[in-house]
Amino acid sequence: AQTVTQSQPEMSVQEAETVTLSCTYDTSESDYYLFWYKQPPSRQMILVIRQEAYKQQNATENRFSVNFQKAAKSFSLKISDSQLGDAAMYFCAYRGRTSGTYKYIFGTGTRLKVLA
Amino acid sequence: EAQVTQNPRYLITVTGKKLTVTCSQNMNHEYMSWYRQDPGLGLRQIYYSMNVEVTDKGDVPEGYKVSRKEKRNFPLILESPSPNQTSLYFCASSFNDRGAAFFGQGTRLTVV
Repeated sequence: AQTVTQSQPEMSVQEAETVTLSCTYDTSESDYYLFWYKQPPSRQMILVIRQEAYKQQNATENRFSVNFQKAAKSFSLKISDSQLGDAAMYFCAYRGRTSGTYKYIFGTGTRLKVLA
Repeated sequence: EAQVTQNPRYLITVTGKKLTVTCSQNMNHEYMSWYRQDPGLGLRQIYYSMNVEVTDKGDVPEGYKVSRKEKRNFPLILESPSPNQTSLYFCASSFNDRGAAFFGQGTRLTVV
């Protein structure tokens, strides 16, 4: 069965600094998708970035970028120039084919604190 | 505005009293799903639907029912709620089963 592991329950970063959140996953599939979602205190789930497994190029969205290492099954999120508004819970998610459909599997989350 | 709308946002109920949480999306998405979020466990899928009249169990379906009679709506039904169903619930939709999910605002359910 596929699993997603976020080994850092909590991280802190100084404002304007860079932080990397780690995520590893386990799968035997070759076709899958990886996502990072942000959940601020409002509890809304917001898509941060999406990566397709067949694409070797790492996805980027403004200050957010990923380091996708397919062989190592690693999908870390780098946040550059951290801002107070980046403080949130971050979830890594895997979407791959299971029993004929593409199911979402989420990690347990990393709470990011941004220090002024 | 493209969105997924859940109602209610907060609900306190008593054990055994049937309740329905509604979910509606205006993006003509085919795929819809329900999740529950519990501390330390992340989000777990309850049920999903590939299209109208096509639904299937997720990882934690016990105690829940769903229906998909219209493409835009996907209500979650708790026939006889129990305290272990106290949780934060999310409805989500995506264009297909590979796309990024758009989430509703969440429903905080407390069963006493």
